[in-house]
Formats: sequence, structure tokens, C-alpha cells
Amino acid sequence: AQSVTQLDSQVPVFEEAPVELRCNYSSSVSVYLFWYVQYPNQGLQLLLKYLSGSTLVKGINGFEAEFNKSQTSFHLRKPSVHISDTAEYFCAVKRGSQGNLIFGKGTKLSVKP
Amino acid sequence: KAGVTQTPRYLIKTRGQQVTLSCSPISGHRSVSWYQQTPGQGLQFLFEYFSETQRNKGNFPGRFSGRQFSNSRSEMNVSTLELGDSALYLCASSLEATGAQEAFFGQGTRLTVV
Repeated sequence: AQSVTQLDSQVPVFEEAPVELRCNYSSSVSVYLFWYVQYPNQGLQLLLKYLSGSTLVKGINGFEAEFNKSQTSFHLRKPSVHISDTAEYFCAVKRGSQGNLIFGKGTKLSVKP
Repeated sequence: KAGVTQTPRYLIKTRGQQVTLSCSPISGHRSVSWYQQTPGQGLQFLFEYFSETQRNKGNFPGRFSGRQFSNSRSEMNVSTLELGDSALYLCASSLEATGAQEAFFGQGTRLTVV
């Protein structure tokens, strides 16, 4: 069975500082990896995804993530955050043969002025 | 192109009642999945439908059921509501049912059971 661990439940950071949100996964089979963002009272929006190929994936709003197979990690990074990045971020995995996502518990990013 | 539409957005029900939530996927999408989001348990998978067939089911009691219609619209039903069913229910649609497909989420239905 797959599982996803997001190591930090809350990450406070000052505006224009860099941020890294950590995600580790466990799976006995190959998986696809995703990062989603959720703003208050909203659904989930896809930030980026790793399917295959280059391990560095660029997404929307200046976010990027690096897939590391040996460490089974898929950490999300942004070099300079804005107040508008304040939201909850979810890491998720999906097996190739199935359509459902398995989510981590989420990381609340709080950007302070 | 319209996104995933969930109705209603908010719902208040009494313990013991039943409720039906609706999800209209993006036009052309044939796969619909449902998730329950609570502060304690996070996002948990309920079930997935593709071409009117349930392909996969999460670990929820039989009180939770769903179906998909020929136009890909989906409904989920919860019978004999319990206080613990209070949650945000999210629907997601994809073109196909394979793992590489991106899932697009609706804004959710906030269910409160009193």
C-alpha cells in the first residue's frame, strides 16, 4: 500500500523568503506524484506533477519540486514567497493502474509581511 | 470550459437523516472520484467511477454510496447521518481513469450534521 508523509504540519515564513515543503512517500510500485494547493473554502488546485522524465518539475505560481527516487521524496520549493501563497499544500501519489489519489496530511504555509 | 461543479455548496442535516450530493464533471471527462476532508483525518478517498462503473472504493462504511450516470454526472449518498460525517466532500474529474491523468477538483460541498 502507498502512503504519503508531509513532515511539517505548519510552516511560517516571511514574505520574499525561500520555502521548502517536505514530502516523503512509500510504495512498492511506481507511482505518479502531485502537489495540490487549497485556499480557504476552496477545492484543490494542481500545482505540479511528476509522471516521468526530468526529476525537476516546474509548476504554476513559481513553484517547483524535485523527485528523488532513492530518498522517496518529492519536496516542493519556491525561491521567494508572497503573501498570496498562504494556503494549505497537499502532496499526493497515484498508482498507474488506479485513478484515486492518496494524500498526505497537508502543510499549512503562512506567509507573514 | 466550465470546471467541476458541486451542488449544493453548503448543507445542514440532522443526525439520522440521509443526504445526496451532486457532481458535474468537466465536459468530456469520464472519471469521477469523491473524497472526504476532515480536520482530523485529512483527505480520504471514498470511491471512483468510470463509465458508470465503480472502479475503486475506499475504506468507508456501507452508509456511503455513489453512482454515475451516462452523462458522467455523479451523486454520492450518505444514509443515517452521524455527527462524524460532518466534512467537506470533494469531487474530482479526469479524462480517463489511469494514474497519469490530472484530477480537477470542484469547490466541494460542506456538510454539517447536527
